[in-house]
Amino acid sequence: NAGVTQTPKFQVLKTGQSMTLQCAQDMNHNSMYWYRQDPGMGLRLIYYSASEGTTDKGEVPNGYNVSRLNKREFSLRLESAAPSQTSVYFCASSQGPFSNQPQHFGDGTRLSIL
Amino acid sequence: GESVGLHLPTLSVQEGDNSIINCAYSNSASDYFIWYKQESGKGPQFIIDIRSNMDKRQGQRVTVLLNKTVKHLSLQIAATQPGDSAVYFCAENFKGNTPLVFGKGTRLSVIA
Repeated sequence: NAGVTQTPKFQVLKTGQSMTLQCAQDMNHNSMYWYRQDPGMGLRLIYYSASEGTTDKGEVPNGYNVSRLNKREFSLRLESAAPSQTSVYFCASSQGPFSNQPQHFGDGTRLSIL
Repeated sequence: GESVGLHLPTLSVQEGDNSIINCAYSNSASDYFIWYKQESGKGPQFIIDIRSNMDKRQGQRVTVLLNKTVKHLSLQIAATQPGDSAVYFCAENFKGNTPLVFGKGTRLSVIA
């Protein structure tokens, strides 16, 4: 049982390049999330998908787009990468965003933008 | 190594002692709380949760205490082991229509 799987694990981009981060979960969860984690900032929510077919902005959505491809998969796209988007990105899933159930996380994508 | 732990408060504990990690939450309307453990290079790992209708909940070697009067949450780890070294952070669920809100975390360092 893999849980939440993120690809790639590491990536280096040049400013202005585009990139899609992939996430898949095998727990049959309804909701999925994308966070970024920066030193001293904690986890900040970028976008979430409460259920298949819906997406909503989180705390820091600017510069990102998401696609909930199906119940299992939720991707995060950087259309024109900027150095300020250098971060560790985590995908998570849960039964529901307001359901009082824990979120389960992948091991992250470490993204550097030069 | 993982840079996420920079600038975090640090708790150093002798191996075998008990650890207490504290978290002040922000919203008196929050009704669900979680503790996560994050090891270097890994994603956050669920440890234990508690609902607002409880004051205390115990797991294996861990206990979470909730004081709603002062909006305070604590995680107690019994007989701390080197494998407990990690960043620990709490999360709260505002009652309503927002996803979990995460604290910034505390680094636990276990001295062998």
